[in-house]
Amino acid sequence: GNSVTQMEGPVTLSEEAFLTINCTYTATGYPSLFWYVQYPGEGLQLLLKATKADDKGSNKGFEATYRKETTSFHLEKGSVQVSDSAVYFCALIPNDYKLSFGAGTTVTVRA
Amino acid sequence: GAVVSQHPSWVICKSGTSVKIECRSLDFQATTMFWYRQFPKQSLMLMATSNEGSKATYEQGVEKDKFLINHASLTLSTLTVTSAHPEDSSFYICSARKTGMSNQPQHFGDGTRLSIL
Repeated sequence: GNSVTQMEGPVTLSEEAFLTINCTYTATGYPSLFWYVQYPGEGLQLLLKATKADDKGSNKGFEATYRKETTSFHLEKGSVQVSDSAVYFCALIPNDYKLSFGAGTTVTVRA
Repeated sequence: GAVVSQHPSWVICKSGTSVKIECRSLDFQATTMFWYRQFPKQSLMLMATSNEGSKATYEQGVEKDKFLINHASLTLSTLTVTSAHPEDSSFYICSARKTGMSNQPQHFGDGTRLSIL
């Protein structure tokens, strides 16, 4: 079946540090890949996406590259801010079009 | 951009009450909407897929008679938690997918926090 495995958290960083959240997936065919962010007490917001191999999604300083050879979609940001503190979910849409989420990674950025 | 409105954002009610949550796509049509449940510090669990004009498709283990879903128009789906009990307390989130865009991201509402006393 389809599944998403995310790096376990929580992750605590200092401001301006480099952030990486690992995400690997299992799916048949060629799924679309997403990162969603959930700020405290809120719903989910789409952060970035990639729809085919080697695509790079980017938004708000975050980047992730669709690596089919390693079935990965790791999220990176070069210099985090306190406002980046949130829960990050890796997700995929496989051929059956049902969105599958990873477990989520809580990121806390300290000033 | 695409906006999904979910209402109410917070509900506190007595045990045995039925609670209705609305999910509206404000600037696009959504043949398909999804209802998720999220427990504290956990990921989202898909409860059901709501299809406009037809019956919802429920995930395994989700009680159809407990969680009634109605998708009467292309912009509105409702989830009714019937005879709610404390164990139904949770964060419920809906999402909507633009009609004809099956492999594109869903757009999420801000969630409804349901607390049953």
